[in-house]
Amino acid sequence: AQSVAQPEDQVNVAEGNPLTVKCTYSVSGNPYLFWYVQYPNRGLQFLLKYITGDNLVKGSYGFEAEFNKSQTSFHLKKPSALVSDSALYFCAVRDNIAGRRALTFGSGTRLQVQP
Amino acid sequence: EPEVTQTPSHQVTQMGQEVILRCVPISNHLYFYWYRQILGQKVEFLVSFYNNEISEKSEIFDDQFSVERPDGSNFTLKIRSTKLEDSAMYFCASSEREPGANVLTFGAGSRLTVL
Repeated sequence: AQSVAQPEDQVNVAEGNPLTVKCTYSVSGNPYLFWYVQYPNRGLQFLLKYITGDNLVKGSYGFEAEFNKSQTSFHLKKPSALVSDSALYFCAVRDNIAGRRALTFGSGTRLQVQP
Repeated sequence: EPEVTQTPSHQVTQMGQEVILRCVPISNHLYFYWYRQILGQKVEFLVSFYNNEISEKSEIFDDQFSVERPDGSNFTLKIRSTKLEDSAMYFCASSEREPGANVLTFGAGSRLTVL
């Protein structure tokens, strides 16, 4: 079975400060890991993914995430937050076992960036 | 940028009524999905569809649900007899190739309210 945990319902950060949104996962095989963002009344938008290779992956809007196999984590980071980054962020995992097509999402973390 | 389009954006229905939610995936995509998000909860996988048949489904996707690609462009989710607990945001998604490492593109969602 595959699962994702996002331990924080909400993260508050001041504009210009670094931000981290936490995610841990559990899979049977090797993970494919994704971050999606949801703005109000919009669908989920892809930010970045980890498949293999370099543990630090860079994505859209200046976001990056670090894959840590020993800690089974894939935390989302940004060096300097913007007010426009305020949104709901979802971590998702797919096991690389053949035949699995379903993405399993975390419960989401609301990021609030204060001016 | 190509989009996944969903209609209606919001539907209100009485318990026991049939509902059809429609999606137009990105034109060169071959894999299609439905996910749902009950208010305040995580995004949950319902079903994946490829080559005119269901390739994977979750335990949520019981006999009251069905999917169809009736005309080569639309991808529909039918709920035969809606229940109060079916109230949720339903997201359609598509991907170009075999999921695994490939990114899903989501629509903006259809909000279903069952009274």
